[in-house]
Amino acid sequence: EIVLTQSPGTLSLSPGERATLSCRASQSVSSSYLAWYQQKPGQAPSLLIYGASSRTTGIPDRFSGSGSGTDFTLTITRLEPEDFAVYYCQQYGSSPITFGQGTRLEIK
Amino acid sequence: QVQLQQWGARLLKPSETLSLTCVVSGAPLSGYSWTWIRQPPGKGLEWIGEINHSGSTNYNPSLKSRVTMSVDTSKNQFSLKLNSVTAADTAVYYCARRIDPWGQGTLVTVSS
Repeated sequence: EIVLTQSPGTLSLSPGERATLSCRASQSVSSSYLAWYQQKPGQAPSLLIYGASSRTTGIPDRFSGSGSGTDFTLTITRLEPEDFAVYYCQQYGSSPITFGQGTRLEIK
Repeated sequence: QVQLQQWGARLLKPSETLSLTCVVSGAPLSGYSWTWIRQPPGKGLEWIGEINHSGSTNYNPSLKSRVTMSVDTSKNQFSLKLNSVTAADTAVYYCARRIDPWGQGTLVTVSS
């Protein structure tokens, strides 16, 4: 099983700042099958990034994903108030599919 | 636009069987894997397993002994059964098409 470790656990930033979220895998993620989700309270997770760097339709370009192998990053430039939420990474290249424990992005 | 609508019993007693169904609109079941994920209150996400349109399944080893997934292509829906539930199975259960989109989630509470 591939274990995903996200850091930091909580990130406190102000609107307009840049957020950098990390996801490290215990072994290489097959074919960069790495996704990022945003989850707001009471809602299902919403897919932001798939294939490590491809944005889902409708996702603003301030969200970007990068990385390969075992190290992946979600970057949010110019934080908007609606971006403060919990973010999860997920690898879907190997079974069982696994998720990171999440990074909470909170308003400073 | 693909949409997933799920339903099932929300309150169970220990040892009962959890049963949820997810109906898909806007796309056929063929060509994709259909997934169940759960999230205990205040905690992270756990993949339960997946099924394709022909009924081939792949379960999380941690739950494999208690999980059964099935598909009904005539109704364009798929289902989850989890037997012998305990309080540790209390969670919001989501259905999804592989990685996207997801259903709205169903909070299932196990309590005596």
